Amino acid sequence: QSALTQPASVSGSPGQSITISCTGISSDVGGYNYVSWYQQHPGKAPKLMIYDVSNRPSGVSNRFSGSKSGNTASLTISGLQAEDEADYYCSSYTSSILWVFGGGTKLTVL
Amino acid sequence: QVQLVQSGAEVKKPGSSVKVSCKASGGTFSSYAISWVRQAPGQGLEWMGGIIPILGTANYAQKFQGRVTIITDESTSTAYMELSSLRSEDTAVYYCAQGYNYGSFDYWGQGTLVTVSS
Repeated sequence: QSALTQPASVSGSPGQSITISCTGISSDVGGYNYVSWYQQHPGKAPKLMIYDVSNRPSGVSNRFSGSKSGNTASLTISGLQAEDEADYYCSSYTSSILWVFGGGTKLTVL
Repeated sequence: QVQLVQSGAEVKKPGSSVKVSCKASGGTFSSYAISWVRQAPGQGLEWMGGIIPILGTANYAQKFQGRVTIITDESTSTAYMELSSLRSEDTAVYYCAQGYNYGSFDYWGQGTLVTVSS
């Protein structure tokens, strides 16, 4: 099972919006609404930001939103803030009875 | 509030095994899947396998089939991951994570660094 495809890096200025894509196939991203997104700061454990494509856990800022179209899911962060600088990973359930992660995207806030 | 607390860092020789523990508190341990995810230095996240404690049957990523064993002890709300036949490429931080929503890993342990070196 190959990892989901994410851009290696994205950047934006404070206050701007950015979108990170996560591309899979019909047997993972395209076939299930079990896409989630994680934020990871250096040396820290990942933190759940979005689950089931577009749901935000309690306590996560509404500046974070998720969506999906076909085999591609997306994470959008609006009103960028310095503390958003981190690595972001997507994950999806797959039909092979396992979970797969994306390769990760490094977000730089300029 | 759910907390997952993992055992401490390990240094192992190639060919040996390592067993990492993950003790849960503050939630409903038995009903929700616990997964193990690893992260090699400077690399991304990799799902290794998972288990729903009350069901007791683990599922493993094909890459780790035959080398990894995941079990739970419901009496102590603790999950264990044992990885055998260690090689240098297994050097990584190993995380446990529990999902209260089927499609996600909601809570994470702090990570356990396993170093494989001769």
